[in-house]
Amino acid sequence: KNQVEQSPQSLIILEGKNCTLQCNYTVSPFSNLRWYKQDTGRGPVSLTIMTFSENTKSNGRYTATLDADTKQSSLHITASQLSDSASYICVVTFYSSASKIIFGSGTRLSIRP
Amino acid sequence: DAGVIQSPRHEVTEMGQEVTLRCKPISGHDYLFWYRQTMMRGLELLIYFNNNVPIDDSGMPEDRFSAKMPNASFSTLKIQPSEPRDSAVYFCASSLRGPGQGIYEQYFGPGTRLTVT
Repeated sequence: KNQVEQSPQSLIILEGKNCTLQCNYTVSPFSNLRWYKQDTGRGPVSLTIMTFSENTKSNGRYTATLDADTKQSSLHITASQLSDSASYICVVTFYSSASKIIFGSGTRLSIRP
Repeated sequence: DAGVIQSPRHEVTEMGQEVTLRCKPISGHDYLFWYRQTMMRGLELLIYFNNNVPIDDSGMPEDRFSAKMPNASFSTLKIQPSEPRDSAVYFCASSLRGPGQGIYEQYFGPGTRLTVT
């Protein structure tokens, strides 16, 4: 069964600290993996997109890694800011008879001052 | 560009009523996606269009849901009759390219929060 699982479900850290969010998937054959940031009451905004041949991709203080062999991805946030408080969603696209998109359930991150 | 525009932002209706959600994609984008988000199920892709033609509607939950795209700048998602379990936030997104065309960036609208009582 094609699944995308994220951990932890929620996380609270102090401002200025680093954190890492995890995404494991069982999707096959894999096409690409995205990380989205979703602020409360807003639509998701893309942070990174990676294909199977890419190991890492950065977007400012956000760095995503991908291990296509173990089917794991992580999103590392450096020097967290209050504005990083949001849900982070991992999304995997795969190709069966047609392209399909599967969303993880997200990690709710709260940054405390 | 104003981005993806959705209306209304909030909709409260009674069970059994017809609900129509509207979306205006970013000009020039050939792909339009409708998503539903709930606490229990997270984000789910309902349907997507390419050049106004529905490509994959396998995510549409049942016949009560229908989506149309009469032209490149407008799409609707209709629920008739609505039920309390349809309560969710419905997002519209658009992109230049789509599934099967490699990497593409999706731009989401602000969403419509639907409450069915």
